[in-house]
Amino acid sequence: EAEVAQSPRYKITEKSQAVAFWCDPISGHATLYWYRQILGQGPELLVQFQDESVVDDSQLPKDRFSAERLKGVDSTLKIQPAELGDSAMYLCASSTTGVRTDTQYFGPGTRLTVL
Amino acid sequence: KNEVEQSPQNLTAQEGEFITINCSYSVGISALHWLQQHPGGGIVSLFMLSSGKKKHGRLIATINIQEKHSSLHITASHPRDSAVYICAVRADGLTFGKGTHLIIQP
Repeated sequence: EAEVAQSPRYKITEKSQAVAFWCDPISGHATLYWYRQILGQGPELLVQFQDESVVDDSQLPKDRFSAERLKGVDSTLKIQPAELGDSAMYLCASSTTGVRTDTQYFGPGTRLTVL
Repeated sequence: KNEVEQSPQNLTAQEGEFITINCSYSVGISALHWLQQHPGGGIVSLFMLSSGKKKHGRLIATINIQEKHSSLHITASHPRDSAVYICAVRADGLTFGKGTHLIIQP
């Protein structure tokens, strides 16, 4: 069964370092989402891609976060420099279309700890 | 490459006991972290040390740079202290110990 893949599963880094997370959506899914979930809270949308284009990055802290999906397939989320408050689970999801009611399929997440 | 050894690997104690967890490393470092990981939870940073001693509540961490050794102490231990305690050292990147699994029984 097709799955959303994320790497790494766990990342521990020190503040001021750069980190990058990778996501490979389900084949054929045009829409890709990056979410951040702080422990004890619900996920918040960081960025949404439709193919290679960003359609919503209003909640992305652009001074330190960047996301790209150059070929409209896999995606990378980068944080530089990492801060203590960035410790969270970073979830990637994909769907066939960008319609809000469309089912989103989630990857296992990358748990980031910033020391 | 830095070798980080923690002891003991597993420790079970009764509530109220004084707990000591040790960490030794082989290469000079610029800092040492003590981390706490609860089952199913994230990792919490307890201390960062580069010299001397730090205290936070019932937790005390010490480091001896010359001997390449650090200890984490828990006074008046409580069942909620049950967790995995991990030592991590910073030299050329971060190197982690394998952790000490601590269980405090009521």
